[in-house]
Amino acid sequence: AQSVTQPDIHITVSEGASLELRCNYSYGATPYLFWYVQSPGQGLQLLLKYFSGDTLVQGIKGFEAEFKRSQSSFNLRKPSVHWSDAAEYFCAVGPNNNNDMRFGAGTRLTVKP
Amino acid sequence: NAGVTQTPKFQVLKTGQSMTLQCAQDMNHNSMYWYRQDPGMGLRLIYYSASEGTTDKGEVPNGYNVSRLNKREFSLRLESAAPSQTSVYFCASSGREGRMSYEQYFGPGTRLTVT
Repeated sequence: AQSVTQPDIHITVSEGASLELRCNYSYGATPYLFWYVQSPGQGLQLLLKYFSGDTLVQGIKGFEAEFKRSQSSFNLRKPSVHWSDAAEYFCAVGPNNNNDMRFGAGTRLTVKP
Repeated sequence: NAGVTQTPKFQVLKTGQSMTLQCAQDMNHNSMYWYRQDPGMGLRLIYYSASEGTTDKGEVPNGYNVSRLNKREFSLRLESAAPSQTSVYFCASSGREGRMSYEQYFGPGTRLTVT
């Protein structure tokens, strides 16, 4: 069955530092991969997606992610974190047998001043 | 263009009460979804509708029913609420019929508490 693992429940970084959020997936075929961000009390907003082609994808707000098939990973990166990046981040993979996406449990990012 | 809207934003129910969560999208999307979000568990799919007139169970359908009223609207009903249904509920839509190939757009959520 398709699944997504986000190994880090909570990460704290200093403002201006680089960021990498990890995502590992289990999927039988070529996956479609997504990163979403959720600010407190809000819905989910798409940061970026990978369907095919270039394995390094650029998203909004200065985020990027790299698809590594050999490692079954799709890690999210940002070179310099801003205080406004504090949020919860979800990795997702699809489609699965129910035509839905499977979400990871999320990583909560705290940004120290 | 409001995207995906949900009502109500907050709701408190007593055990055994019923209610319907409403969702509407104005993006002319074919597919719509209901998820629940619980701490440490990410989002789990309750039901989805690949196109108007069709609905299918997701990962956690027990205790819920849905109606795809038309292309715009997809409602979620709790017939007899239980404390285990305390959660945040998100509606989403996507533009590709059937297989979920494109990204999903999410509503702001409904925070439901069942006492």
